[in-house]
Amino acid sequence: GAGVSQSPSNKVTEKGKDVELRCDPISGHTALYWYRQRLGQGLEFLIYFQGNSAPDKSGLPSDRFSAERTGESVSTLTIQRTQQEDSAVYLCASTIAGGYGYTFGSGTRLTVV
Amino acid sequence: DAKTTQPPSMDCAEGRAANLPCNHSTISGNEYVYWYRQIHSQGPQYIIHGLKNNETNEMASLIITEDRKSSTLILPHATLRDTAVYYCIVRAGSARQLTFGSGTQLTVLP
Repeated sequence: GAGVSQSPSNKVTEKGKDVELRCDPISGHTALYWYRQRLGQGLEFLIYFQGNSAPDKSGLPSDRFSAERTGESVSTLTIQRTQQEDSAVYLCASTIAGGYGYTFGSGTRLTVV
Repeated sequence: DAKTTQPPSMDCAEGRAANLPCNHSTISGNEYVYWYRQIHSQGPQYIIHGLKNNETNEMASLIITEDRKSSTLILPHATLRDTAVYYCIVRAGSARQLTFGSGTQLTVLP
């Protein structure tokens, strides 16, 4: 596609429920990133995928967070047993291998009530 | 990655040049300077990057001092749509991720 697509754009969930967020990167972009942005704050790195290499999970805040990516296509970020502090905008970005400029999606705004 | 320091906020009159400073005094020889911006409720947008030479594209110009310890992003004719948070990031070419700081909130005034 023309850009990075994320779905849903908004998600309201009850505390304790699991949620799954989706990212469709730009075709041909081998690198994919997930970031989190809490209200009024900067971006926090969560996880990085590069081709078929093992992902860099160093930014995941707890074992309730996980992400998958099949090849160079869609990625899903799963949050289990959601907590109120998980409320944030979750942003996905993609780039070509060794690329300089990331292309970000518009994000998924997650609200845990 | 080297740490960057930016002013938290700046104003600029519409039609004038916006000059956004960034200090990166601990930058290493293999680290690039990147600029992104984030318009309210949108994902960050790549603007420009450079290593040591000044760079220009359709969006902006990047001026890097000779010692590379600071840089300035220049928006030559700011418009209201340029109101955003501007992030200056330094990153090694081989680094896996971008680390975003607090950025500068630029407000373009009519």
